[in-house]
Amino acid sequence: EAGVVQSPRYKIIEKKQPVAFWCNPISGHNTLYWYRQNLGQGPELLIRYENEEAVDDSQLPKDRFSAERLKGVDSTLKIQPAELGDSAVYLCASSLGGGLATNEKLFFGSGTQLSVL
Amino acid sequence: AQTVTQSQPEMSVQEAETVTLSCTYDTSESDYYLFWYKQPPSRQMILVIRQEAYKQQNATENRFSVNFQKAAKSFSLKISDSQLGDAAMYFCASGSSNTGKLIFGQGTTLQVKP
Repeated sequence: EAGVVQSPRYKIIEKKQPVAFWCNPISGHNTLYWYRQNLGQGPELLIRYENEEAVDDSQLPKDRFSAERLKGVDSTLKIQPAELGDSAVYLCASSLGGGLATNEKLFFGSGTQLSVL
Repeated sequence: AQTVTQSQPEMSVQEAETVTLSCTYDTSESDYYLFWYKQPPSRQMILVIRQEAYKQQNATENRFSVNFQKAAKSFSLKISDSQLGDAAMYFCASGSSNTGKLIFGQGTTLQVKP
């Protein structure tokens, strides 16, 4: 079974440029999460989807960040324009449902490491 | 607000020895779970062990076990018979059973010496 797939693995851009990250969750997983991990820190939730609906985007900087999950499967996270402080690893995770019931867990991808110069 | 604190930025252990990583948390959730994740240089977060907060019995997974002290809001990870492959960044996290949202600590880098 394929895991959570993210691309690209690395991205280097100049500030003020746009950038997009792509995530393909595990087949059948209804819930998808985007986390941002700054260097030396733990991941922080940006947005959570239940199918195609964003049910928690309270931590997403909406002035420059946007996300979509068309048809409730793949998801893209976009930054426009990027700032120096956006340099981080962007992790995608998925789970069958939205909760953390027994035997259910989150599966993480390997992330996209963004460097803004 | 939910917070998770890991007070040990770095730890080291001799191969085959035992090491304990500390974690404290604070949550307003009545139904929550606690986790330890391992993050190797590949960046993929790998679940090491999970604990349901309503269970008093400490979770164990082979060489990994936890000491869950609910009243003290403490959740430490013990790694027995440490192996070179255990070297990684370890994150403690608390999660809402309703939303699945995880709050992570700052991480502890574990070095295993041969």
